[in-house]
Amino acid sequence: AQSVTQLDSHVSVSEGTPVLLRCNYSSSYSPSLFWYVQHPNKGLQLLLKYTSAATLVKGINGFEAEFKKSETSFHLTKPSAHMSDAAEYFCVVSEVTGTASKLTFGTGTRLQVTL
Amino acid sequence: NAGVMQNPRHLVRRRGQEARLRCSPMKGHSHVYWYRQLPEEGLKFMVYLQKENIIDESGMPKERFSAEFPKEGPSILRIQQVVRGDSAAYFCASSLQANTEAFFGQGTRLTVV
Repeated sequence: AQSVTQLDSHVSVSEGTPVLLRCNYSSSYSPSLFWYVQHPNKGLQLLLKYTSAATLVKGINGFEAEFKKSETSFHLTKPSAHMSDAAEYFCVVSEVTGTASKLTFGTGTRLQVTL
Repeated sequence: NAGVMQNPRHLVRRRGQEARLRCSPMKGHSHVYWYRQLPEEGLKFMVYLQKENIIDESGMPKERFSAEFPKEGPSILRIQQVVRGDSAAYFCASSLQANTEAFFGQGTRLTVV
């Protein structure tokens, strides 16, 4: 069975400082990993994805994440936070067994960006 | 190419009524997923469907909830005899193939009064 643990439910940073949102996963197979962002009362937008290619993945809006198999981690980072980054972020693991696919979400990390 | 379309965006039902939530996947996508998000919580998997087939419904309550994805038309999530605890945001996602990125709709916010 697969699972995702987002280690922080809330993260607060100042505008212009780095962002680190932590995610650890558990998977029986070679997983695909994703980060999604959800702004208030909106749907989910894909930030980036890892699908067994390069371990450092670059996404939209300056975000990137590094897949570390030895640590079973897929932390999301951004060098400099912007006010518009304030949102809920979800780490997601996907496994395919046969022809079936299942996405498992972490509980989310709410990012607050202050002036 | 329109994204995943969910309707209605907001739905209010009285206890005991039925709620029908619709999801039109992106063009060409044959994999559909339904998720429920309770206030201040993450998304919980409910059901995964491919055209005309339920592949995995392990996250769906055994009673009152059903889902379908017919050969023609949108996927439907149906909740019979709604209760207050069903109030949540219900998100649909679609993907082209298994294990490719899933695109999400904007959700249907169900309120049971």
